[in-house]
Amino acid sequence: QVQLVQSGAEVKKPGASVKVSCKASGYTFTTYYLHWVRQAPGQGLEWMGIINPTGDSTNYAQRFQGRVTMTRDTSTSTVYLELKRLRSEDTAIYYCARAGGGFSDSPFDLWGQGTLVTVSS
Amino acid sequence: QSVLTQPPSVSAAPGQKVTISCSGSSSNIGKNYVSWYQQFPGTAPKLLIYDHNKRPSGIPDRFSGSKSGTSATLGITGLQTGDEADYYCGTWDSSLSAGVFGGGTKLTVL
Repeated sequence: QVQLVQSGAEVKKPGASVKVSCKASGYTFTTYYLHWVRQAPGQGLEWMGIINPTGDSTNYAQRFQGRVTMTRDTSTSTVYLELKRLRSEDTAIYYCARAGGGFSDSPFDLWGQGTLVTVSS
Repeated sequence: QSVLTQPPSVSAAPGQKVTISCSGSSSNIGKNYVSWYQQFPGTAPKLLIYDHNKRPSGIPDRFSGSKSGTSATLGITGLQTGDEADYYCGTWDSSLSAGVFGGGTKLTVL
């Protein structure tokens, strides 16, 4: 079954870091780019960044530069999103999404179930 | 403030047709393919339309997409109550080197 399965919900204090995982199965992991998209409560979708199929290249949205790191473990078909120096505005559902056509700008054809990250003192 | 502009809400009666607009610029919609995503409350978005007007397997032909210049449109015919959801347009922005989305449109089927 082709799917992306994400790690469970997290509660963090302001200033802390969080690391969310996204495990792929049912397809050739090293063929596709993976994106991270987040959605604050009641808000729209926000693109955070992308990691290439082999994990040696990333591109982050300007507003997250310096706070975000995306990594990829091809041995376990898992990608990770780490966000540092958390603030309350980072409370959101974080999604991983596959770029379906094998290119970085391909449409997001497969999504993880989402991981709720709550930042609260 | 989203890079792509969508109306916050649209509504129509069951069986009717509705369109949702998505306005961008020459660096995003004007240059790259547009996708549309459907999202029900509490669930992940789902790809509805890609490459402006193509439907993934399993998406009914009641859903259609088009693009003209720097704007794109999602059309839904034969509206059903089950179509009530949030709809997002998305594409790549070549100037930002980033993915971009519209702010989302809430569809109400009255």
